[in-house]
Amino acid sequence: GIQVEQSPPDLILQEGANSTLRCNFSDSVNNLQWFHQNPWGQLINLFYIPSGTKQNGRLSATTVATERYSLLYISSSQTTDSGVYFCAVIANAGKSTFGDGTTLTVKP
Amino acid sequence: DAGITQSPRHKVTETGTPVTLRCHQTENHRYMYWYRQDPGHGLRLIHYSYGVKDTDKGEVSDGYSVSRSKTEDFLLTLESATSSQTSVYFCATGGGETQYFGPGTRLLVL
Repeated sequence: GIQVEQSPPDLILQEGANSTLRCNFSDSVNNLQWFHQNPWGQLINLFYIPSGTKQNGRLSATTVATERYSLLYISSSQTTDSGVYFCAVIANAGKSTFGDGTTLTVKP
Repeated sequence: DAGITQSPRHKVTETGTPVTLRCHQTENHRYMYWYRQDPGHGLRLIHYSYGVKDTDKGEVSDGYSVSRSKTEDFLLTLESATSSQTSVYFCATGGGETQYFGPGTRLLVL
């Protein structure tokens, strides 16, 4: 099946810093999403982005489908950004694969 | 957010007993998913459904079965629970693009 690799596995930032999270996938996909899991375990969809670039406030994402990677940018990080960020892809007919996530810790 | 509920939210059971987890949605989404989340493994797909009575296996389907007799309900059954099935189980739904997650069920198999 399709492989999804996220990097870095862990990231520690000071409040106000910027960061870039990366997701590489091994095959063509027709669906790519970024999720945030907060410290209480809740999973929130950030972006549906199979290709192109989207922005939502301090967060933006870019997927280059032809090169099989996606990037999530977090600017001016806040302590509430802490948690685990997951990339998930769907290659065919609904079968989704998640990466192992990037654990982000933002220190005040 | 999509209306997705999971029941029970917490369960403790003994090895060898059957367990059924329920996912209920109010969004009329076509797709429904069951995942398990374990430390160091992220989320792994157990089974998914692409319509009423239409289901398929995911990455870690052994020991699990599912049923979807109505659009709004997706049941996950552990026929004979084992300690290796201790995990947090998440249900998700979607219309083909974005997945929306339920709050999760913590299952402990003793």
